[in-house]
Parts: sequence; C-alpha cells; structure tokens
Amino acid sequence: AQSVTQLDSQVPVFEEAPVELRCNYSSSVSVYLFWYVQYPNQGLQLLLKYLSGSTLVKSINGFEAEFNKSQTSFHLRKPSVHISDTAEYFCAVSDPGGYQKVTFGTGTKLQVIP
Amino acid sequence: KAGVTQTPRYLIKTRGQQVTLSCSPISGHRSVSWYQQTPGQGLQFLFEYFSETQRNKGNFPGRFSGRQFSNSRSEMNVSTLELGDSALYLCASKSGTPNTGELFFGEGSRLTVL
Repeated sequence: AQSVTQLDSQVPVFEEAPVELRCNYSSSVSVYLFWYVQYPNQGLQLLLKYLSGSTLVKSINGFEAEFNKSQTSFHLRKPSVHISDTAEYFCAVSDPGGYQKVTFGTGTKLQVIP
Repeated sequence: KAGVTQTPRYLIKTRGQQVTLSCSPISGHRSVSWYQQTPGQGLQFLFEYFSETQRNKGNFPGRFSGRQFSNSRSEMNVSTLELGDSALYLCASKSGTPNTGELFFGEGSRLTVL
C-alpha cells in the first residue's frame, strides 16, 4: 500500500522569502507524484507532476519539485513567495499500473506574511 | 473544454435528513472519484466509479453511497445525516488516456448539517 506524509501542517513565511514544503511517500512500486494547490473555497488544482524523465519539474508560477527516489521524497520549493501563494498544498502519489489509485497527504497550509 | 461541475455548491440540512450531490466530469472522462474534506481529517477518499462500476471504496459507513450513470455523471448520497458529515465534498474526474492518475477537481459542494 502506498502512503504520503506531509510533516508540516502549517508553514508561515514572509513575502519574497524562499519556502520548502516537504513530502515523503512510501510505495512498493514505481510512482507518479503530484502537487495540488487549493485556494480558499475552491477545489484542488494540479500544480505540477512527475511521471518520468527529468527528476526536476516546474510549474508556470515559479514552484518546482524534485523527485528523489533514494529518499522517497518530492519536496516543493519556491525561491521567492508572493502573497497570492497563500493556499493549502497537497502532495499525492499514484501507482502507474491498474486503476492508478491516488493517495493524498494531509496537506500543508502555506501562509505568506506581508 | 468545460471543467468538472458540482451541484449544489452550498447546502444546509438538519440531522436525520438525506442529501444527494451531483458531479459532471470533464467530457470524455470515465472515472469519477469523491472525497470528503474537513479541517480535522483532511482529504478522505470516499469512492471511485468507472464506467458505472464502483472500483475503489474508502472507509466510510454505508450511509454514504454513490452511483454513476452511462454519461459518466455521478451522484453521491448521504442518508441519516449527522453533525459530523458537515464538510466540503469534492468530486474529481480522471482521463483514461494518458493513464497517469492526474485528477481534475470540481469546486466542491459545501454541506452544513445543523
């Protein structure tokens, strides 16, 4: 069975400072990895994904995440956050075979302080 | 392409009543999943339907049920509502091609049980 751990439930950070949101997963098979973002009173939106190939993946709004197989991690980083990045971020894992069951972490609330 | 549509967006019920929520997936998507999101429990998987068949189920009591129609639209029903059922119910659809597990979420139906 696969699982996802997001150790930080809340991360406060000052505007224009860098941020890292941690995600570790466990799975007995190869995985697809995702970060989703949820703004207040909205559903989740895909931020970025790792399927194969380059282990460093980037989003259009400056976030990036690196797949580290040896450490079973997929941490999300941004070098300089903006107020508009305030949201909850969910890490998720899917197995490539079968029904691609998706397992979510418990989420990390990023609070950007002006 | 239209996104995932959930109705109603907001509703208020009293204990003991039942509720039906509706989800229209992205055109061409045959998989629909339902999640319950609460501040205390985070994002919890309810069930997934594919081509009118339930193929995954989370750990929820039998009061929670769902179905999928031939046009891939899905409904979930909660009977004998309890105060603890107050939550944001999210629907997500998934494309079978390519098969990555990427989910597309609706904006959710916020249920308040009084």
